[in-house]
Amino acid sequence: AQKVTQAQTEISVVEKEDVTLDCVYETRDTTYYLFWYKQPPSGELVFLIRRNSFDEQNEISGRYSWNFQKSTSSFNFTITASQVVDSAVYFCALSPGGYGGSQGNLIFGKGTKLSVKP
Amino acid sequence: DAGITQSPRHKVTETGTPVTLRCHQTENHRYMYWYRQDPGHGLRLIHYSYGVKDTDKGEVSDGYSVSRSKTEDFLLTLESATSSQTSVYFCAISESISLAYNEQFFGPGTRLTVL
Repeated sequence: AQKVTQAQTEISVVEKEDVTLDCVYETRDTTYYLFWYKQPPSGELVFLIRRNSFDEQNEISGRYSWNFQKSTSSFNFTITASQVVDSAVYFCALSPGGYGGSQGNLIFGKGTKLSVKP
Repeated sequence: DAGITQSPRHKVTETGTPVTLRCHQTENHRYMYWYRQDPGHGLRLIHYSYGVKDTDKGEVSDGYSVSRSKTEDFLLTLESATSSQTSVYFCAISESISLAYNEQFFGPGTRLTVL
């Protein structure tokens, strides 16, 4: 079975603190794809990053960085020097590999609500 | 931003009434999806379409039907709405079913309340 677990339901930090959002996934596929989406208070879903299972390189984009570790089935997301505008619900998602329609079924975690206080 | 609109954006209806939600895209993407978002569940796939008149079920399809008569429009219908279908509904699109080098882009969402 495919599953994504975001154990942190809510996190509250003070501006400029670093914060890491955890994501653990389960899949039997050897090829799969992992995603992070941001949902700000306005409600839309904003794509942040995709990572393919065959590419374990970590990635940094400005204050955002992602740590993908297949050995622990984790794809964690770190925000450095957090800002109030980072306040949102963050979703980790898994897309199965293989063939057919199942590839398009994004399996989402339940989300982590991040509140950044000034 | 991907050109995806959803209508209506908000709707309140009564149990037992039919409801149709519309998703419209201007990106000419082949694949379209309907998800529902509920507290404590994240997003879950209801139905998806892989072309005009080609649709298939997702994880939580019971009580829903879909239709796609044009590339740009994907309709979600609740034949007889129930309170358990109170949710926020998101439409998504993608160029390819495989997300190896693509991602799904989401519409703004429709908040549906069934009384």
